[in-house]
Amino acid sequence: NAGVTQTPKFRILKIGQSMTLQCTQDMNHNYMYWYRQDPGMGLKLIYYSVGAGITDKGEVPNGYNVSRSTTEDFPLRLELAAPSQTSVYFCASSDPGSSGNTIYFGEGSWLTVV
Amino acid sequence: AQSVSQHNHHVILSEAASLELGCNYSYGGTVNLFWYVQYPGQHLQLLLKYFSGDPLVKGIKGFEAEFIKSKFSFNLRKPSVQWSDTAEYFCALLGNNRLAFGKGNQVVVIP
Repeated sequence: NAGVTQTPKFRILKIGQSMTLQCTQDMNHNYMYWYRQDPGMGLKLIYYSVGAGITDKGEVPNGYNVSRSTTEDFPLRLELAAPSQTSVYFCASSDPGSSGNTIYFGEGSWLTVV
Repeated sequence: AQSVSQHNHHVILSEAASLELGCNYSYGGTVNLFWYVQYPGQHLQLLLKYFSGDPLVKGIKGFEAEFIKSKFSFNLRKPSVQWSDTAEYFCALLGNNRLAFGKGNQVVVIP
């Protein structure tokens, strides 16, 4: 199994550009999450989903959008990139039934907005 | 809403020293607690987890953590650290379908 796969791994954006961070998991997990990690701040939850067709805001959703049309995929969309969105983004998934509430993380996407 | 607190963000110690990282949480429901480690330039890896049962949890690489319900704590320990334990360590709490993280402890082990 590949686990949780994120793309791209690195990206530089100009202010005002838009882009989508892709996340896919092959573990048939219902729950998926997007976090951002900033130095000294830990990980902050952006959005999460408890199943296909269901999404909900986390702690820091402003400036982002998500969709969950399939169980496998949970893309994160930045519509108008701002320097404050320079961060490392982690996608994660879990399923209380099969993974025992363990959350599996992707390898991260480093995004710089200039 | 749940929250997790970690203190002493930067920890520097010598090889063979003992390590203890504090984690306190706030949450009114059933707690699922985790410690994750992030080595430089890498993603988060699970060290150990507590769901129920024995409050002393053994993890990988010689780490252990103790859940003390009365103190709302889940401290991480390792009796003798190695240089390869240099990393950032995150405590996390799963509640309301959301995993909340502490701000992390940056641990540097000097050879």
